[in-house]
Amino acid sequence: EAGVAQSPRYKIIEKRQSVAFWCNPISGHATLYWYQQILGQGPKLLIQFQNNGVVDDSQLPKDRFSAERLKGVDSTLKIQPAKLEDSAVYLCASSLPLYNEQFFGPGTRLTVL
Amino acid sequence: AQRVTQPEKLLSVFKGAPVELKCNYSYSGSPELFWYVQYSRQRLQLLLRHISRESIKGFTADLNKGETSFHLKKPFAQEEDSAMYYCALNSGGGADGLTFGKGTHLIIQP
Repeated sequence: EAGVAQSPRYKIIEKRQSVAFWCNPISGHATLYWYQQILGQGPKLLIQFQNNGVVDDSQLPKDRFSAERLKGVDSTLKIQPAKLEDSAVYLCASSLPLYNEQFFGPGTRLTVL
Repeated sequence: AQRVTQPEKLLSVFKGAPVELKCNYSYSGSPELFWYVQYSRQRLQLLLRHISRESIKGFTADLNKGETSFHLKKPFAQEEDSAMYYCALNSGGGADGLTFGKGTHLIIQP
């Protein structure tokens, strides 16, 4: 079975620029998550989707971060404008509804200069 | 607010020695607890969860609600156990998002 796909794998931008990340979950997984993992920390949940609806975005910095999952499959996470403190690995994960094992993608490593 | 604490950033043990990775949590309800593992150059993956009460790769973890702990144990460490280990919880709502600890880097020396 194909796993969670993410692109790009690496991105380097300057502060105040914009960036977008893409995630394709495992086929049939209705629940999709975006996590931010800063160096030396554990992953922190940014947003959770159930199909194309937002379940939890309480930790998403909405002044600069946005995410969408228009057709209930792929998702994009955008940062506009980026700050130095946004440097992190952005992880996408998916799971079946009501099932608590999350499957993670390889992550996108963002460096903001 | 829910929180997961892993007090050790780094734990180094010799092959064949017992291993215990500590995890404490704070949550007012009845959470579900998990251990996730990330081997070198691999993705983060589920190792075990408390509701399954199973042993995976020789690892076990028992939920102690009185001490709010979920320590990960293995009686005899193997070199292939070297990895980053993250303790995590969710609110017990099935597919809810996870709150992770900062992780423990386990190194098994030959």
